[in-house]
Amino acid sequence: EAAVTQSPRNKVAVTGGKVTLSCNQTNNHNNMYWYRQDTGHGLRLIHYSYGAGSTEKGDIPDGYKASRPSQENFSLILELATPSQTSVYFCASGEVGGLEQYFGPGTRLTVL
Amino acid sequence: GDQVEQSPSALSLHEGTGSALRCNFTTTMRAVQWFQQNSRGSLINLFYLASGTKENGRLKSTFNSKESYSTLHIRDAQLEDSGTYFCAAEATGGNNKLTFGQGTVLSVIP
Repeated sequence: EAAVTQSPRNKVAVTGGKVTLSCNQTNNHNNMYWYRQDTGHGLRLIHYSYGAGSTEKGDIPDGYKASRPSQENFSLILELATPSQTSVYFCASGEVGGLEQYFGPGTRLTVL
Repeated sequence: GDQVEQSPSALSLHEGTGSALRCNFTTTMRAVQWFQQNSRGSLINLFYLASGTKENGRLKSTFNSKESYSTLHIRDAQLEDSGTYFCAAEATGGNNKLTFGQGTVLSVIP
């Protein structure tokens, strides 16, 4: 059974609209992460969290917010979506102090 | 600047042959993780290494922190090995954050 799930799996949004991507993990990991993957790039870190109530900026946080309401759930929020945010978004979880991360299946977001 | 340099960017192998993928690091890394991204886009964990060598079936990976590199060896390549391979590493003191390489696109040819 998948330990990191994401919803929706596909999303089409309009420019200026609000988009929320959701991630749920059953690994009981403290750390969670949001990445985006674009053609020609590896994954790049947007936001991450060390536990419920915590959010931290990653390497490319501009235009994104994050919310960690519980151990299991971590959301990525695009308040005003732009076409440049068209990408595939991956969520991951990992243990505190550990490095190994476990990834969800990805969400393909298209902003028109 | 880029901390993880992955090579080659693309590789074609005939079935049954093998090769090595490499990641060079421009800073001291605490550990490395290797993934395969399959045709559906899913990221599959292959290896996590803090040092030394691990082997799993036809795959073997080495991480040398002192010399700042990691390798992934594939032997007896099969069609299902096709996909994109990524290494990702955390800098020492990096707060559990991974930096990814650009990936190697592997095509296994019948």
